[in-house]
Amino acid sequence: EVQLVESGGGLVQPGGSLKLSCAASGFTFSDSPMHWVRQASGKGLEWVGRIRDKAKSYATAYAASVKGRFTISRDDSKNTAYLQMNSLKTEDTAMYYCTSQMTTVVTPDYWGQGTLVTVSS
Amino acid sequence: SHELTQPPSVSVSPGQTASITCSGDKLGDKFASWYQQKAGQSPVLVIYQDNKRPSGIPERFSGSNSGNTATLTISGTQAMDEADYYCQAWDGSTVAFGGGTKLTVL
Repeated sequence: EVQLVESGGGLVQPGGSLKLSCAASGFTFSDSPMHWVRQASGKGLEWVGRIRDKAKSYATAYAASVKGRFTISRDDSKNTAYLQMNSLKTEDTAMYYCTSQMTTVVTPDYWGQGTLVTVSS
Repeated sequence: SHELTQPPSVSVSPGQTASITCSGDKLGDKFASWYQQKAGQSPVLVIYQDNKRPSGIPERFSGSNSGNTATLTISGTQAMDEADYYCQAWDGSTVAFGGGTKLTVL
């Protein structure tokens, strides 16, 4: 059974930093690109970014709204993906989900339960 | 970035067919996916690569994609299908989601 468990969310002040983790199990993590998607309360889904697998040199891509502030990384030895968030803004407040991608077509498939990030003074 | 447009809401009677559209420039040239999100839960993939169903998704869910429009069709809609639905596509550099459609089963 595929499981994705996010952690690391919490309350942070504007301008602060936070690092989210996503622990994966039930599939070959090292072969799967991983995505982060966020959802503000009562709003729609917003893609944050993606990291590819080792065969694709761990290439990353980001949404324009977070580029230069957020960094996605992974540790295949720990089956864990990360989202480092710097220079946080109030508009970054959202539930953050990590997802796997087990097809060659770019489609986030399995989703975790999410971790809540609140940016407020 | 690629913009995908969905109607904010769709209503359907139990047992009838619900259709939810997703519009975007040359969307038919890309693969479209659909997610179901029930209140308080994480999204679940129900259709990928335009018309494929993941394991465990009922056959009443189907999809199509042509021209500028992708469509999610739910045949014999049940009360349990009431949820928000989001379309998704990859534009070659970023993932785009539609704004979401609230499906109400009256």
